[in-house]
Amino acid sequence: EVQLVESGGGLVQPGGSLRLSCAASGFTFSNNAMSWVRQAPGKGLEWVSATSSSGSITYYADSVKGRFTISRDNSKNTLYLQMNSLRAEDTAVYYCAKNSGWYWNFGDYWGQGTLVTVSS
Amino acid sequence: EIVLTQSPGTLSLSPGERATLSCRASQSVSHNYLAWYQQKPGQAPRLLIYGASSRATGIPDRFGGSGSGTDFTLTISRLEPEDFALYYCQQYGGSPGSPLTFGGGTKVEIK
Repeated sequence: EVQLVESGGGLVQPGGSLRLSCAASGFTFSNNAMSWVRQAPGKGLEWVSATSSSGSITYYADSVKGRFTISRDNSKNTLYLQMNSLRAEDTAVYYCAKNSGWYWNFGDYWGQGTLVTVSS
Repeated sequence: EIVLTQSPGTLSLSPGERATLSCRASQSVSHNYLAWYQQKPGQAPRLLIYGASSRATGIPDRFGGSGSGTDFTLTISRLEPEDFALYYCQQYGGSPGSPLTFGGGTKVEIK
């Protein structure tokens, strides 16, 4: 059974940093691209970042480029999102999603999400 | 960037009725790389359809996807009580390095 468990969310002040983690199990982690998708309170879905299966290719939405860094440790079956210079508009539930191939496409499995709140 | 527009914003129907949800793209989605998700309050999205018409694992056959190019449709043949939820389309057919984008969503509510 595929399982994705996010952690690391919480309350942070504007300008602060957080690192999200997503622990994966139930599939061969190194075979699949992974993505982070966020959802602001009461809003729709926004794809934030993605990494290819090896981690050699990454993508960032313009809204987070230069502030967020995606990485993965295939030996630990874990995906990360380092978030720096956080803004109020980054407040959202952050989901990690397994993509079906080595390059990002659609999320065939999703974690339960972790809430990030940026507020003073 | 491919912009996806979903309509209607809200669909009010009764259990047993047929639901037809639309997703229109601002430019052609190559290879019909379009997915549909269902999301219930407090839950993560669940993949229903990929490649415009392929059902994901475990999805009942009352869910069907169709369309090509810029116009796509999700049809729920007979609504069950558990189908009342939010539905999002997402494209993954842009050029390499271009963003994956979601539509704004359609809420299917009980009439």
